[in-house]
Amino acid sequence: QSALTQPASVSGSPGQSITISCTGTSSDVGGYNYVSWHQQHPGKAPKLIIYDVSNRPSGVSNRFSGSKSGNTASLTISGLQAEDEADYYCNSYTTITTVIFGGGTKLTVL
Amino acid sequence: QVQLQESGPGLVKPSETLSLTCDVSGGSVSGYFWSWIRQPPGKGLEWIAYIHYTGSTTYSPSLKSRVTISVDTSKNQFSLKLTSVTAADTAVYYCARHRSSGFDYWGQGTLVTVSS
Repeated sequence: QSALTQPASVSGSPGQSITISCTGTSSDVGGYNYVSWHQQHPGKAPKLIIYDVSNRPSGVSNRFSGSKSGNTASLTISGLQAEDEADYYCNSYTTITTVIFGGGTKLTVL
Repeated sequence: QVQLQESGPGLVKPSETLSLTCDVSGGSVSGYFWSWIRQPPGKGLEWIAYIHYTGSTTYSPSLKSRVTISVDTSKNQFSLKLTSVTAADTAVYYCARHRSSGFDYWGQGTLVTVSS
C-alpha cells in the first residue's frame, strides 16, 4: 500500500485560512469516512485534531475543520495562528482494515 | 487522564529482535484498539500494527512477516516484537490508542537505533 499523498509544505499569514489535501484511492480515503488528521510539533507526539473526516475531539479548536470529496480529504485551518505551525498528517483505514498515513505536510505561518 | 508509556532497549543490533512494551495508566486496555506507529528521524509516520483488547490483530503488509503485536490485559499493557532488524528500522516508536479512525492518546515515543 502506498502512502496517501499530501503536499510537502503549505504556508499562510496569521489570520488567513489554509487547506491541506490528502489524496488516496477508492481503497482507502474514497472507500470509507475513516480519515483522520494529526498535528505534530517538533519533538512531540502527534495530536489528534480531526477523526472520521470531520469530527473534532473535545478541546480542539473549531478553527480546524475536515471534509472529503471522492478520494481526497482536506483539512482547513482558519484564522491561522503562530502556534499552528507544525507538521500535519492524514491517515485512513483501507479496505483490508489496515491503516495508512500520508507523507505529512509542513505548515509555515509567515 | 489516560497515559501511555513505551519502554524497551534504545539500541538493537542488526539482525536481532526489537522488543517494546506500552504501559497504559489512567484507563484500561479493555474496550479499545491499540497501535504501534513509528517515525524514522526526519521522516513521516508509519503505522505498524494494531490489536484489539480481545487479541485480534492486524499488521502492515510491508512489515507483517517480521512483526508480532500482543496484549496483556492483566498487566494493562501491549507489546511489539520486530525481528531481523536493519538500520532502516531506526525510528521513534510510538504506542497509541484508537478513537475510530484516529489515535487520541499517544505515548511520548521511544527512539530505537539499530546499530552494531
